[in-house]
Amino acid sequence: AQSVSQHNHHVILSEAASLELGCNYSYGGTVNLFWYVQYPGQHLQLLLKYFSGDPLVKGIKGFEAEFIKSKFSFNLRKPSVQWSDTAEYFCAVNARDGGSQGNLIFGKGTKLSVKP
Amino acid sequence: KAGVTQTPRYLIKTRGQQVTLSCSPISGHRSVSWYQQTPGQGLQFLFEYFSETQRNKGNFPGRFSGRQFSNSRSEMNVSTLELGDSALYLCASSLSSLNEQFFGPGTRLTVL
Repeated sequence: AQSVSQHNHHVILSEAASLELGCNYSYGGTVNLFWYVQYPGQHLQLLLKYFSGDPLVKGIKGFEAEFIKSKFSFNLRKPSVQWSDTAEYFCAVNARDGGSQGNLIFGKGTKLSVKP
Repeated sequence: KAGVTQTPRYLIKTRGQQVTLSCSPISGHRSVSWYQQTPGQGLQFLFEYFSETQRNKGNFPGRFSGRQFSNSRSEMNVSTLELGDSALYLCASSLSSLNEQFFGPGTRLTVL
C-alpha cells in the first residue's frame, strides 16, 4: 500500500531562516507529487507539483522542491521564511498507474511556526 | 474562475442521523474527490467520481456513499452517524484523475 511520511510534526523557525521539510513516499511505480499548504482558517492550496521532467520544481511564494527518485523523496525548501509562511504543509502522492488515480495519499502534515 | 464550493460549511448532527454534503467543482472539472480530515488520522481519501462514475474508493465503511451528477456536482452521504464521523470533509476537483486537485473550504461536521 502507498504511504507518505513527513518527518517533522512541528517546525519552529525565526524569520529569514532557511526551511527544508522532508517527505518520503512508498510506492514502486510512477507517481505525481504535490505539496499543499493550509494557512490558518483557510483551505488547502497547491504550492507546487511534480509530474515529470526537471526534478527541481518551483512553486508559489518562493518555495521549491526536489524529487529524488532513488530516495523516494520530495523535500520542500525555501531559502528565507517569512512570518506569513506560518501554516501546515502537506506532502501528497498520486500513483499514475495501478488504478488508483484520483486518490491522493497525504502525509500527516508539518506545522511550521515562524517567529517574527 | 470560481473555486470549489461546498455546502453547508458547518453542520451539527446527533448520533444515528444521516447527513448529505454538497460540492460544486470548478467549471470544466470532471473529477471530484472527497477526503476526511481529522487531527488524529489526517487527510484520508473517501472516493473519487469522474463523469458520474465512482472510480476509486477508500477504506471507509459502506455508511459513506456518494454520487456525481451530469453537471459534475457531487454529493456525499453519511448514514447512521457515529461520534467518530466528526471531521472536516473536503471536496477537491480536477480536470482528470491525474491532474492537480483544487480543494474547497470543507464542511465541518460535528456529531453529538
